[in-house]
Amino acid sequence: EVQLVESGGGLVQPGGSLRLSCAASGFTFTRSWMTWVRQAPGKGLEWVANIKQDGSEEYYVDSVKGRFTISRDNAKNLLYLQMNSLRAEDTAVYYCARHPGQSFDWWGQGTLVTVSS
Amino acid sequence: QSALTQPPSASGSPGQSVTISCTGISTDVGGYSHVSWYQQYPGKAPKLIIYDANKWPSGVPDRFSGSKSGSTASLTVSGLQAEDEADYYCSSYAGNNQWLFGGGTKVTVL
Repeated sequence: EVQLVESGGGLVQPGGSLRLSCAASGFTFTRSWMTWVRQAPGKGLEWVANIKQDGSEEYYVDSVKGRFTISRDNAKNLLYLQMNSLRAEDTAVYYCARHPGQSFDWWGQGTLVTVSS
Repeated sequence: QSALTQPPSASGSPGQSVTISCTGISTDVGGYSHVSWYQQYPGKAPKLIIYDANKWPSGVPDRFSGSKSGSTASLTVSGLQAEDEADYYCSSYAGNNQWLFGGGTKVTVL
Protein backbone atom coordinates (compact mmCIF):
# COMPACT_ATOMS: atom_id res chain seq x y z
CA GLU A 1 0.00 0.00 0.00
CA VAL A 2 1.27 3.46 -0.88
CA GLN A 3 2.11 5.52 2.19
CA LEU A 4 3.33 9.09 2.41
CA VAL A 5 4.10 10.48 5.85
CA GLU A 6 5.02 14.14 6.28
CA SER A 7 6.88 15.59 9.22
CA GLY A 8 8.74 18.72 10.24
CA GLY A 9 5.91 21.21 10.53
CA GLY A 10 5.56 23.60 13.44
CA LEU A 11 5.52 27.20 14.58
CA VAL A 12 8.16 29.50 13.13
CA GLN A 13 8.66 33.24 13.21
CA PRO A 14 8.41 35.37 10.07
CA GLY A 15 11.72 35.28 8.24
CA GLY A 16 12.56 31.89 9.71
CA SER A 17 13.24 28.54 8.10
CA LEU A 18 11.80 25.07 8.29
CA ARG A 19 12.46 21.79 6.49
CA LEU A 20 9.63 19.41 5.79
CA SER A 21 10.16 15.72 5.10
CA CYS A 22 7.98 13.12 3.46
CA ALA A 23 8.71 9.43 3.92
CA ALA A 24 7.48 7.30 1.05
CA SER A 25 6.76 3.58 0.99
CA GLY A 26 4.70 1.02 -0.89
CA PHE A 27 5.77 2.08 -4.38
CA THR A 28 8.91 2.58 -6.42
CA PHE A 29 9.92 6.04 -5.26
CA THR A 30 12.67 6.37 -7.85
CA ARG A 31 10.12 6.10 -10.67
CA SER A 32 7.83 8.84 -9.42
CA TRP A 33 7.66 12.58 -9.81
CA MET A 34 6.77 14.00 -6.42
CA THR A 35 5.07 17.22 -5.42
CA TRP A 36 4.18 19.47 -2.50
CA VAL A 37 0.71 21.01 -2.26
CA ARG A 38 -0.40 23.34 0.52
CA GLN A 39 -3.71 24.42 1.99
CA ALA A 40 -4.05 27.55 4.09
CA PRO A 41 -6.54 27.27 6.97
CA GLY A 42 -10.08 27.26 5.59
CA LYS A 43 -8.81 27.80 2.06
CA GLY A 44 -8.30 25.81 -1.12
CA LEU A 45 -5.39 23.78 -2.41
CA GLU A 46 -2.30 25.35 -3.97
CA TRP A 47 0.40 23.49 -5.88
CA VAL A 48 3.79 24.50 -4.51
CA ALA A 49 6.59 22.54 -6.19
CA ASN A 50 7.49 19.28 -7.83
CA ILE A 51 10.61 17.30 -8.64
CA LYS A 52 11.55 14.76 -11.28
CA GLN A 53 12.40 11.16 -10.45
CA ASP A 54 16.16 11.69 -10.43
CA GLY A 55 16.01 15.21 -8.97
CA SER A 56 17.32 16.77 -12.17
CA GLU A 57 14.29 19.02 -12.66
CA GLU A 58 12.30 21.01 -10.14
CA TYR A 59 9.54 23.56 -10.57
CA TYR A 60 7.88 26.06 -8.26
CA VAL A 61 4.87 28.30 -8.01
CA ASP A 62 5.94 31.92 -8.40
CA SER A 63 5.12 32.87 -4.81
CA VAL A 64 7.81 30.56 -3.38
CA LYS A 65 10.54 30.81 -6.02
CA GLY A 66 13.85 31.74 -4.47
CA ARG A 67 12.61 30.90 -0.96
CA PHE A 68 11.65 27.21 -1.12
CA THR A 69 13.72 24.30 -2.39
CA ILE A 70 12.36 20.84 -3.14
CA SER A 71 14.75 17.91 -3.05
CA ARG A 72 14.76 14.15 -2.63
CA ASP A 73 16.93 11.34 -1.33
CA ASN A 74 16.17 8.31 -3.47
CA ALA A 75 18.35 6.06 -1.34
CA LYS A 76 16.13 6.78 1.67
CA ASN A 77 12.80 7.28 -0.13
CA LEU A 78 12.54 10.77 1.28
CA LEU A 79 11.16 13.99 -0.19
CA TYR A 80 12.03 17.36 1.31
CA LEU A 81 10.87 20.94 1.20
CA GLN A 82 13.32 23.50 2.55
CA MET A 83 11.43 26.69 3.34
CA ASN A 84 13.35 29.91 3.99
CA SER A 85 12.29 33.52 4.52
CA LEU A 86 8.91 32.32 5.68
CA ARG A 87 5.96 34.70 5.62
CA ALA A 88 2.60 34.70 7.36
CA GLU A 89 0.97 33.78 4.06
CA ASP A 90 2.96 30.53 3.98
CA THR A 91 0.90 29.28 6.93
CA ALA A 92 -0.78 26.11 5.70
CA VAL A 93 -1.02 22.38 5.88
CA TYR A 94 1.63 21.02 3.53
CA TYR A 95 0.92 17.76 1.74
CA CYS A 96 3.33 15.65 -0.23
CA ALA A 97 1.83 13.71 -3.10
CA ARG A 98 2.87 11.27 -5.77
CA HIS A 99 2.66 12.85 -9.17
CA PRO A 100 2.35 10.40 -12.06
CA GLY A 101 1.31 12.01 -15.31
CA GLN A 102 -0.66 15.17 -14.71
CA SER A 103 -2.53 14.30 -11.52
CA PHE A 104 -1.69 13.67 -7.87
CA ASP A 105 -2.74 10.15 -7.05
CA TRP A 106 -1.62 9.54 -3.47
CA TRP A 107 -1.38 12.10 -0.69
CA GLY A 108 0.11 12.15 2.77
CA GLN A 109 -1.87 13.28 5.82
CA GLY A 110 -0.18 16.69 5.83
CA THR A 111 1.92 18.68 8.27
CA LEU A 112 0.93 22.10 9.60
CA VAL A 113 3.28 25.04 9.23
CA THR A 114 2.39 28.17 11.19
CA VAL A 115 4.33 31.37 10.56
CA SER A 116 3.67 33.83 13.35
CA SER A 117 5.49 35.99 15.85
CA GLN B 1 -1.86 32.56 -13.08
CA SER B 2 -5.21 32.60 -11.30
CA ALA B 3 -6.95 29.73 -9.60
CA LEU B 4 -9.57 27.88 -11.57
CA THR B 5 -13.15 28.97 -10.89
CA GLN B 6 -15.54 26.66 -9.07
CA PRO B 7 -18.90 27.44 -7.45
CA PRO B 8 -18.47 27.63 -3.69
CA SER B 9 -21.33 25.26 -3.01
CA ALA B 10 -23.64 22.70 -4.55
CA SER B 11 -26.31 20.47 -3.10
CA GLY B 12 -28.71 17.69 -3.88
CA SER B 13 -30.95 15.14 -2.26
CA PRO B 14 -29.96 11.49 -1.89
CA GLY B 15 -30.26 9.69 -5.20
CA GLN B 16 -30.12 12.87 -7.25
CA SER B 17 -27.20 14.13 -9.33
CA VAL B 18 -25.07 17.17 -8.73
CA THR B 19 -22.67 18.74 -11.23
CA ILE B 20 -19.74 20.98 -10.35
CA SER B 21 -18.07 23.19 -12.93
CA CYS B 22 -14.43 24.17 -13.14
CA THR B 23 -13.68 27.09 -15.44
CA GLY B 24 -10.26 28.07 -16.67
CA ILE B 25 -8.78 29.63 -19.76
CA SER B 26 -7.16 28.51 -22.99
CA THR B 27 -3.75 28.09 -21.37
CA ASP B 28 -4.89 25.70 -18.68
CA VAL B 29 -8.21 23.79 -18.80
CA GLY B 30 -8.81 24.81 -22.40
CA GLY B 31 -5.35 23.83 -23.57
CA TYR B 32 -4.95 20.38 -22.07
CA SER B 33 -6.97 17.29 -21.23
CA HIS B 34 -5.14 17.02 -17.91
CA VAL B 35 -7.96 17.97 -15.53
CA SER B 36 -8.26 16.03 -12.32
CA TRP B 37 -10.76 16.11 -9.46
CA TYR B 38 -10.21 15.53 -5.75
CA GLN B 39 -12.55 14.78 -2.86
CA GLN B 40 -11.62 16.08 0.57
CA TYR B 41 -13.31 15.45 3.89
CA PRO B 42 -12.73 17.95 6.73
CA GLY B 43 -9.34 17.46 8.31
CA LYS B 44 -8.35 14.78 5.80
CA ALA B 45 -6.08 14.61 2.80
CA PRO B 46 -7.52 15.02 -0.69
CA LYS B 47 -8.29 11.88 -2.69
CA LEU B 48 -8.03 11.62 -6.46
CA ILE B 49 -11.38 10.66 -8.01
CA ILE B 50 -11.01 11.67 -11.68
CA TYR B 51 -7.91 12.20 -13.82
CA ASP B 52 -7.32 13.23 -17.41
CA ALA B 53 -10.78 14.82 -17.41
CA ASN B 54 -12.80 11.60 -17.47
CA LYS B 55 -10.80 8.61 -16.20
CA TRP B 56 -11.30 6.78 -12.91
CA PRO B 57 -8.50 5.66 -10.63
CA SER B 58 -8.88 2.13 -9.36
CA GLY B 59 -11.49 1.83 -6.62
CA VAL B 60 -13.44 5.00 -7.39
CA PRO B 61 -17.13 4.29 -8.04
CA ASP B 62 -18.47 5.18 -11.46
CA ARG B 63 -21.07 7.40 -9.79
CA PHE B 64 -18.35 10.01 -10.23
CA SER B 65 -17.85 11.12 -13.81
CA GLY B 66 -15.91 13.88 -15.46
CA SER B 67 -16.10 15.77 -18.72
CA LYS B 68 -14.54 18.77 -20.41
CA SER B 69 -15.69 21.18 -23.05
CA GLY B 70 -13.48 24.04 -24.07
CA SER B 71 -12.17 25.77 -20.97
CA THR B 72 -14.72 24.28 -18.60
CA ALA B 73 -14.50 20.90 -16.94
CA SER B 74 -17.28 19.29 -14.96
CA LEU B 75 -17.65 16.67 -12.28
CA THR B 76 -20.98 14.90 -11.91
CA VAL B 77 -21.89 12.85 -8.88
CA SER B 78 -24.82 10.60 -9.70
CA GLY B 79 -26.98 8.75 -7.21
CA LEU B 80 -25.89 11.12 -4.45
CA GLN B 81 -25.13 9.45 -1.13
CA ALA B 82 -24.61 10.90 2.34
CA GLU B 83 -20.92 9.94 2.16
CA ASP B 84 -20.49 12.21 -0.88
CA GLU B 85 -20.81 15.27 1.34
CA ALA B 86 -17.33 16.76 1.08
CA ASP B 87 -15.25 19.43 -0.60
CA TYR B 88 -14.32 18.89 -4.23
CA TYR B 89 -11.39 20.48 -6.03
CA CYS B 90 -10.44 20.51 -9.68
CA SER B 91 -6.90 20.81 -10.93
CA SER B 92 -5.38 21.43 -14.33
CA TYR B 93 -1.98 21.49 -15.90
CA ALA B 94 -1.27 25.09 -16.88
CA GLY B 95 1.81 24.72 -19.05
CA ASN B 96 5.42 25.56 -18.19
CA ASN B 97 5.41 22.88 -15.49
CA GLN B 98 2.77 24.65 -13.43
CA TRP B 99 -0.44 23.29 -11.94
CA LEU B 100 -3.54 25.12 -10.81
CA PHE B 101 -6.34 24.17 -8.45
CA GLY B 102 -9.87 25.48 -8.24
CA GLY B 103 -11.13 27.22 -5.14
CA GLY B 104 -13.18 24.19 -4.13
CA THR B 105 -16.87 23.35 -3.99
CA LYS B 106 -18.63 22.19 -0.86
CA VAL B 107 -21.22 19.55 -1.71
CA THR B 108 -24.09 19.18 0.72
CA VAL B 109 -26.43 16.20 0.69
CA LEU B 110 -29.82 17.50 1.75
